[in-house]
Amino acid sequence: GESVGLHLPTLSVQEGDNSIINCAYSNSASDYFIWYKQESGKGPQFIIDIRSNMDKRQGQRVTVLLNKTVKHLSLQIAATQPGDSAVYFCAESLIMDSNYQLIWGAGTKLIIKP
Amino acid sequence: KAGVTQTPRYLIKTRGQQVTLSCSPISGHRSVSWYQQTPGQGLQFLFEYFSETQRNKGNFPGRFSGRQFSNSRSEMNVSTLELGDSALYLCASSLGRGNEQYFGPGTRLTVT
Repeated sequence: GESVGLHLPTLSVQEGDNSIINCAYSNSASDYFIWYKQESGKGPQFIIDIRSNMDKRQGQRVTVLLNKTVKHLSLQIAATQPGDSAVYFCAESLIMDSNYQLIWGAGTKLIIKP
Repeated sequence: KAGVTQTPRYLIKTRGQQVTLSCSPISGHRSVSWYQQTPGQGLQFLFEYFSETQRNKGNFPGRFSGRQFSNSRSEMNVSTLELGDSALYLCASSLGRGNEQYFGPGTRLTVT
């Protein structure tokens, strides 16, 4: 069945280093992908998105890469800061049984070491 | 612009009771989606409303229901609560499909 999953449940990164969070998806018909950040006690917050006709998109300190050949999505955070500590979710948008669905991955917890 | 608000923030209920959660979307947003978040299952889609109509529904039993009002505010109801219903219930609003979803802080429901 369709699924979106993350390779690593926890990622520890030194402050100032770059972080890379990975996500695998299984449905090649998915046309839209989103990364969300969820801090403790808060709802998920949109970080960046990418459509299937693109392979890279950059934001402020973040870059999302999409590899449709291997159905892989990654989020790169440059110069990681303490405020980046959170759980990061990837989500996959697709049409399933005539319904639009947003399928979420399990999440990766990013820990910033001082 | 005010964000998505959810009430109440915390709720404790006992098994068998029913509960109603409320969500007020960002002004101008007509789509409201509900999710259940548990540590073991991540975010699970419950349903989506758009212009007072349920447009999508996830794989949850009929005990979970919702509605949307003409002002786009939405409520979800869970009847005959079970221990496994304990979770963070998140509401998200957006302009529509394929648009960024904005989440509220969630309602933490504990069923005892």
